[in-house]
Formats: sequence, C-alpha cells, structure tokens
Amino acid sequence: GDSVTQMEGPVTLSEEAFLTINCTYTATGYPSLFWYVQYPGEGLQLLLKATKADDKGSNKGFEATYRKETTSFHLEKGSVQVSDSAVYFCALSSPNYGGSQGNLIFGKGTKLSVKP
Amino acid sequence: ETGVTQTPRHLVMGMTNKKSLKCEQHLGHNAMYWYKQSAKKPLELMFVYNFKEQTENNSVPSRFSPECPNSSHLFLHLHTLQPEDSALYLCASSQGRQGGTEAFFGQGTRLTVV
Repeated sequence: GDSVTQMEGPVTLSEEAFLTINCTYTATGYPSLFWYVQYPGEGLQLLLKATKADDKGSNKGFEATYRKETTSFHLEKGSVQVSDSAVYFCALSSPNYGGSQGNLIFGKGTKLSVKP
Repeated sequence: ETGVTQTPRHLVMGMTNKKSLKCEQHLGHNAMYWYKQSAKKPLELMFVYNFKEQTENNSVPSRFSPECPNSSHLFLHLHTLQPEDSALYLCASSQGRQGGTEAFFGQGTRLTVV
C-alpha cells in the first residue's frame, strides 16, 4: 500500500542554519504531497503542498519540490529560526481516494529544535 | 469562531466510562475526519465522512463510534476503552472529492485512559 518515509529525528540546529528533512513516498498513481507542522500543544497546520510532479510548494521560507523520478518531497529552509522548532510531518493523499485531500497517509514526523 | 474546534482539549476517563469528543468546523467543508496520534506511531486515519455519510472506517475497534449529524459537526463516542487508546485525537475537515482543498486540523483532544 501507499506509505511515507521521513528521516528520524530529533534534529537540532543552531539559528540561521540550513535545514533539510528528507521525505520519500510509495504510491500508485500520482499523489498530492504535503508538509504539515505541529507546534507544541497544537494540532497540525499545513505548511506547503504540491499536487503534481515538478511543482514546488513554498511558505514562510520553507520549500519542497515534488520529484517523481526519485519519489521524494524533501523539505528545506535556508535559515531556520528558534520559532521554527516543531514537529514536521510529510504526508500524501492518493488519487485512489477520489481526490480528497483529507485522506492522508503520514510519515512518523521529525522533531526540529533550533537553538539560539 | 473560525476553523476547526475540538472539545474538550483534555479528557481523563476510566475504562468503564462513556464519553464523547466533539468537533465543529466553520469552513463550509463537506468532509470530516478523525485521526489518532499515538506516541512513536504515524498519525492514523480512523474515520471519514463525506456529506454526512461514513465513507471510510480503517478497521477501528467498535469501542470507538463516530457520529456525523451534519456537515459541520462530528463526534467520537467512546466506551470501555483500554489504556493503549490514550492518544491525541485530531479532527480535520476539507472540501472533499476531486479538486478539493487540503485538510484543516483542530487542536486535538488529549485523551488519557486510566
């Protein structure tokens, strides 16, 4: 079945460091891909998404490119801030679910801690 | 209020209790979802409702019983739970079907079964 694999955390970085969180997927057809972020004590917030190959999602300085050839959707940010400390989840929505973007398969999450 | 609201935020219940979790969305969406977030496990989709009809039940034990009286409200009725059911339960909504929107999540209910 469909699945998402993302790098295990935790990841600890200094402020202004470069961030990469790897995410790869297995899916039939052409899924939509998402990055969600969860701040302490909160629910999930959509960070960015891409719905077709070669699309780049971006938001708040974060970027991820839908790479069909490598089945990847790696999250990057050029300069992290303390306020970026959170858990980041990679997810996919399969077209087998009738196009609904709420039927999501998640990775296990990567906890990011940014130190001043 | 806007977005997806879940109540209560925290719940402690005994194994013989019956309780309900409530979710309300103010986004005009037609699909609603229950997810379970346990420590060290990926988020798991439990139930899906489209236009008030349950369209997915991911082999969830019958001690969890969902109810969707209209497109804006979703409940999760709980009875005779086990300690391993302790988790964060997240509700989400989206505009379902092809061409719909991404999912918007509530803040979750932290459930502890004692």
